[in-house]
Amino acid sequence: GDSVTQMEGPVTLSEEAFLTINCTYTATGYPSLFWYVQYPGEGLQLLLKATKADDKGSNKGFEATYRKETTSFHLEKGSVQVSDSAVYFCALGNAGNMLTFGGGTRLMVKP
Amino acid sequence: KAGVTQTPRYLIKTRGQQVTLSCSPISGHRSVSWYQQTPGQGLQFLFEYFSETQRNKGNFPGRFSGRQFSNSRSEMNVSTLELGDSALYLCASSLAGDRDTQYFGPGTRLTVL
Repeated sequence: GDSVTQMEGPVTLSEEAFLTINCTYTATGYPSLFWYVQYPGEGLQLLLKATKADDKGSNKGFEATYRKETTSFHLEKGSVQVSDSAVYFCALGNAGNMLTFGGGTRLMVKP
Repeated sequence: KAGVTQTPRYLIKTRGQQVTLSCSPISGHRSVSWYQQTPGQGLQFLFEYFSETQRNKGNFPGRFSGRQFSNSRSEMNVSTLELGDSALYLCASSLAGDRDTQYFGPGTRLTVL
């Protein structure tokens, strides 16, 4: 079945550092890929998405490129802020309306 | 446009009781999905409803059930609660033409004592 693997956290960075959170997937067909963010005590917020190979999703300075050849969808941001501290989830949707999630990566940004 | 709303936000129940959680999707969204989030198992899919019909179901026991109303609002019910049912229950809605892109509500935190 479909699966998503994320790097384990926590990831601790200083403000203005470069962020990469790795995500790889296993799926049949041509899934859509997503990054969600969860702040403490809240639900999931859709951060960005990509629906086909080589698509780049971007939002709020975050971006990720759908790499079919490496089955990856790594999240990047050039300069993180303290307010980016949260848990980030990579997910895939494979036309069944059931999202498959990675385990989540906690990001902590220190001033 | 208002987001997905879930009620109640917090619930405390005891073992053996049953509970009903409610979800109102984004206006115009006809698909509603439910997920369970726990520290040990992460995010797991429960079921999906579209036009009042269950279309997809995850690997959960029959104590977990749901339904959808004609206005697309959805409820999920858990009967005979167990300690392991303590979790954050998340509802998500999506458009009929883009079911994979799901927008989540704030969740209902259920604690079973």
